[in-house]
Amino acid sequence: AQSVTQLDSQVPVFEEAPVELRCNYSSSVSVYLFWYVQYPNQGLQLLLKYLSGSTLVKSINGFEAEFNKSQTSFHLRKPSVHISDTAEYFCAVSGTYKYIFGTGTRLKVLA
Amino acid sequence: DVKVTQSSRYLVKRTGEKVFLECVQDMDHENMFWYRQDPGLGLRLIYFSYDVKMKEKGDIPEGYSVSREKKERFSLILESASTNQTSMYLCASSLSEWPGQGADEQYFGPGTRLTVT
Repeated sequence: AQSVTQLDSQVPVFEEAPVELRCNYSSSVSVYLFWYVQYPNQGLQLLLKYLSGSTLVKSINGFEAEFNKSQTSFHLRKPSVHISDTAEYFCAVSGTYKYIFGTGTRLKVLA
Repeated sequence: DVKVTQSSRYLVKRTGEKVFLECVQDMDHENMFWYRQDPGLGLRLIYFSYDVKMKEKGDIPEGYSVSREKKERFSLILESASTNQTSMYLCASSLSEWPGQGADEQYFGPGTRLTVT
């Protein structure tokens, strides 16, 4: 069985500071890993994904995540956050056909 | 751009009513999904469909049913709404034919916030 753990339910951070949102997963088979973002009053949208190849993946708006197989982690990082990054972030793991989403981390960027 | 639309953003229903939530996608995707989103619980899969008239139970199907008569439309039905079904309902779709869909991005609608009183 697969599972995803996002330990931090809320992360407050000041604007222009770095942030890391943690995601750990468990699976007995190879997985695909995703980060989705949900802005207020919207559905989820894909931020970045790891399918294979380079373990470091990046989004167009400055986020990056590194797949670490030995630590079964896929943490999301950004070196300098903006007010507009305030949103809820969901980590997801997928096997052959089914997604499992984490419980989400609410990122609050403070001025 | 893929567009997934849901029939209502907000819905208020009474206990015992039959409720229909409609979802339409415009990109000829094979797979469609219904999730409910609750604070602290994340997204939980209710049902999914990998082809017209085909459906599979997700993790929390009790109290729900679905219908997919056309490829672009996936309906979630609450046969007799109860207060514990008050939630945000999200529809999603993805492209690939089963079982390769695991690697696919899922495209989400804006959600329907259902309140059952």
